Amino acid sequence: GDSVTQMEGPVTLSEEAFLTINCTYTATGYPSLFWYVQYPGEGLQLLLKATKADDKGSNKGFEATYRKETTSFHLEKGSVQVSDSAVYFCALSDYSNTGKLIFGQGTTLQVKP
Amino acid sequence: NAGVTQTPKFQVLKTGQSMTLQCAQDMNHEYMSWYRQDPGMGLRLIHYSVGAGITDQGEVPNGYNVSRSTTEDFPLRLLSAAPSQTSVYFCASSYISLQNTEAFFGQGTRLTVV
Repeated sequence: GDSVTQMEGPVTLSEEAFLTINCTYTATGYPSLFWYVQYPGEGLQLLLKATKADDKGSNKGFEATYRKETTSFHLEKGSVQVSDSAVYFCALSDYSNTGKLIFGQGTTLQVKP
Repeated sequence: NAGVTQTPKFQVLKTGQSMTLQCAQDMNHEYMSWYRQDPGMGLRLIHYSVGAGITDQGEVPNGYNVSRSTTEDFPLRLLSAAPSQTSVYFCASSYISLQNTEAFFGQGTRLTVV
């Protein structure tokens, strides 16, 4: 079945460092790909998405490119801030038209001043 | 905008008790889902619905029931709570249009079973 694998956390960075969180997926067909962010004590918010190969999703300085050849959707940010500290989830939605999402295990990011 | 509203935010149950987690959305989305979040395991799908009157099981359905009598509401029932059901529960509603889809999540319910 479909699955999503994220890099293990936690990830600890200093402010203004470069961030990469790896995400790879296994799916039949051409899924849509998402990054969700969960700030402490809150629900999940959509950070960015891409619906087809080579699409780049971007938001709040974060970017991720849908790479079909490597089945990857790595999250990057050039300069992280303390306010970026959160849990990041990679997810996919297939074309079963059910609204279901399959999530990776989540990566905790802590940014220190 | 209310979006997806979950109640309660926190709940403590004794083993064997039953309860219902409420979820309501005001976006007229057809698709709704329940997930549980456990440390190191991401979010796992419990049950989902593709419209009023239609529900189906997800990855971890045992011990939970759902119903969807209206488009807006999708309650999750714990029949006889067990400590293994201690978790954070999230409800989501989604739209799907052409090749675009997005899910919106509630704030979560933190459930402890003692």
